[in-house]
Amino acid sequence: IAGITQAPTSQILAAGRRMTLRCTQDMRHNAMYWYRQDLGLGLRLIHYSNTAGTTGKGEVPDGYSVSRANTDDFPLTLASAVPSQTSVYFCASSEGSGGYEQFFGPGTRLTVL
Amino acid sequence: GQSLEQPSEVTAVEGAIVQINCTYQTSGFYGLSWYQQHDGGAPTFLSYNALDGLEETGRFSSFLSRSDSYGYLLLQELQMKDSASYFCAVAGTNAGKSTFGDGTTLTVKP
Repeated sequence: IAGITQAPTSQILAAGRRMTLRCTQDMRHNAMYWYRQDLGLGLRLIHYSNTAGTTGKGEVPDGYSVSRANTDDFPLTLASAVPSQTSVYFCASSEGSGGYEQFFGPGTRLTVL
Repeated sequence: GQSLEQPSEVTAVEGAIVQINCTYQTSGFYGLSWYQQHDGGAPTFLSYNALDGLEETGRFSSFLSRSDSYGYLLLQELQMKDSASYFCAVAGTNAGKSTFGDGTTLTVKP
């Protein structure tokens, strides 16, 4: 089934630990995105990639890093988690880099204690 | 920077029509998208306007006025299942321009 998968579904993490959230799409989309969504709020762009091999910083990139080694995978790493990174993380992709129609993964619910 | 404004909450009754407005300030603007998100779920794409005017998709329509930096989502014949959050989002010259509003929570009452 075409779409985006994210792993894990949820995670409780001790502050200071390193964590990688995984995202894989099988639609051969060029652009990929990572957003965080805090309770009751909108989606804020963390990092993005217009195409494989390139990445860029979004609105809230501090404390996060990404890589885009191939078209399908776009992992998000928290080098040293802090409680303010408690959020729901959504990965998304779009065929073009304009991002007008984005497809979202099911999300990862992350709690940092 | 980029910013979008939309009302935080809207309430309507089943069968009614509701309009959710969105104003934006941005550079490198290509168009305005709308997404629906049910509680606990992922956002799903509803519609996109690149040009001025109305786009209709079943019970949902979306409007854009580029000169006014304004758009709206129109939901007709409201159903209980339409209770959700609705987000407007800017599509831009590259993926880094992607910006979402804070969302409008629509509650449909019987």
